Amino acid sequence: EDQVTQSPEALRLQEGESSSLNCSYTVSGLRGLFWYRQDPGKGPEFLFTLYSAGEEKEKERLKATLTKKESFLHITAPKPEDSATYLCAVLRGAQKLVFGQGTRLTINP
Amino acid sequence: DAGVIQSPRHEVTEMGQEVTLRCKPISGHNSLFWYRQTMMRGLELLIYFNNNVPIDDSGMPEDRFSAKMPNASFSTLKIQPSEPRDSAVYFCASKPNLSGNYEQYFGPGTRLTVT
Repeated sequence: EDQVTQSPEALRLQEGESSSLNCSYTVSGLRGLFWYRQDPGKGPEFLFTLYSAGEEKEKERLKATLTKKESFLHITAPKPEDSATYLCAVLRGAQKLVFGQGTRLTINP
Repeated sequence: DAGVIQSPRHEVTEMGQEVTLRCKPISGHNSLFWYRQTMMRGLELLIYFNNNVPIDDSGMPEDRFSAKMPNASFSTLKIQPSEPRDSAVYFCASKPNLSGNYEQYFGPGTRLTVT
């Protein structure tokens, strides 16, 4: 069965302190890996899709990378507004997304 | 452009009552998804529709849950009778049917509390 495990569950950083979030997955034939951001009281907001090992995508202070077993979301010089829960998901079948439990990121000023 | 619209945003009801959650997908999107989010189980897919037709309802927890999509701009998720363990945030998401596009756009959610 497809599984997505995110670590750590929670991460607290100082403003400007770079770090990475991990998403390990077990799926037969990865067709897509997705990163979403979720703010409290809101729905998940799409960030990136990665399709094959070695692929990288960037957006402002965020960079997502993909290997055959895991994906990393690198956060460079984060700001307090980057505080959110970051969700990772894999595509199962034609349209179903299987989500991990998320990493709750807090950036202190 | 309006995003996915859900109503109500909050619902408090008593055990045994019927609950109906509503969703309006983004115009032009052909696929619609209902999710449930809890602390224990995270974000889980309940059911999804393609061109108003239910494709996969394997995530629906039991017969008390039902979903309909009578037209391209409206869907409902109904729980009858509701139970305290149904308390969760329910999200609706939609996506266009474009080849190679799997990005789903989520609504703000409905927070359901069953007492």
